[in-house]
Amino acid sequence: AQSVAQPEDQVNVAEGNPLTVKCTYSVSGNPYLFWYVQYPNRGLQFLLKYITGDNLVKGSYGFEAEFNKSQTSFHLKKPSALVSDSALYFCAVRDIEKDSNYQLIWGAGTKLIIKP
Amino acid sequence: GAVVSQHPSWVICKSGTSVKIECRSLDFQATTMFWYRQFPKQSLMLMATSNEGSKATYEQGVEKDKFLINHASLTLSTLTVTSAHPEDSSFYICSARMVAGGPTDTQYFGPGTRLTVL
Repeated sequence: AQSVAQPEDQVNVAEGNPLTVKCTYSVSGNPYLFWYVQYPNRGLQFLLKYITGDNLVKGSYGFEAEFNKSQTSFHLKKPSALVSDSALYFCAVRDIEKDSNYQLIWGAGTKLIIKP
Repeated sequence: GAVVSQHPSWVICKSGTSVKIECRSLDFQATTMFWYRQFPKQSLMLMATSNEGSKATYEQGVEKDKFLINHASLTLSTLTVTSAHPEDSSFYICSARMVAGGPTDTQYFGPGTRLTVL
């Protein structure tokens, strides 16, 4: 079955330290992978996506993610965290071989807290 | 670019009334729009997928007669919650996929609508 796992409900990082938000996926075919961020009482903002090519994808606000096919992971990273990065982060995947309606499969979300 | 708006941003209504939520793609045309529902501290739950000019496809367990979706143009989709009840209170979010964006396209999200039914 297709699924996305974000194993951590919450990640706490001190400001200035590197951060990682984990995501693993399970699809039968090739995945398109996405990261979105949600601030309180707001919709989702697109951060980055992996389609093909370079496994390291750079996105908005200094975030990047690395696609690892063997580990079926797409972890979100940032070298130096800011307090303003505190938000809810969602990983999503689209199985291009199964889905014809462009639907996304969503992870449960990870709350990122950056402490000053 | 790729801005999606929702109106209203929040609404409070009495039980039994109907509420319409609009989702607009402001600077692009959207072949497909998605409606999600999000409960506190939970992930998004896809309610339905709507393609311009055709009937919406509802996910299992979502009542199509209760949640009416209309996608009359390439820039506007509406969700009407009919005869709303307190259990319909939630955060409703729409997203839009760009026309001719291709298989690698991205969903762009609206800011959400907070519905509270008294």
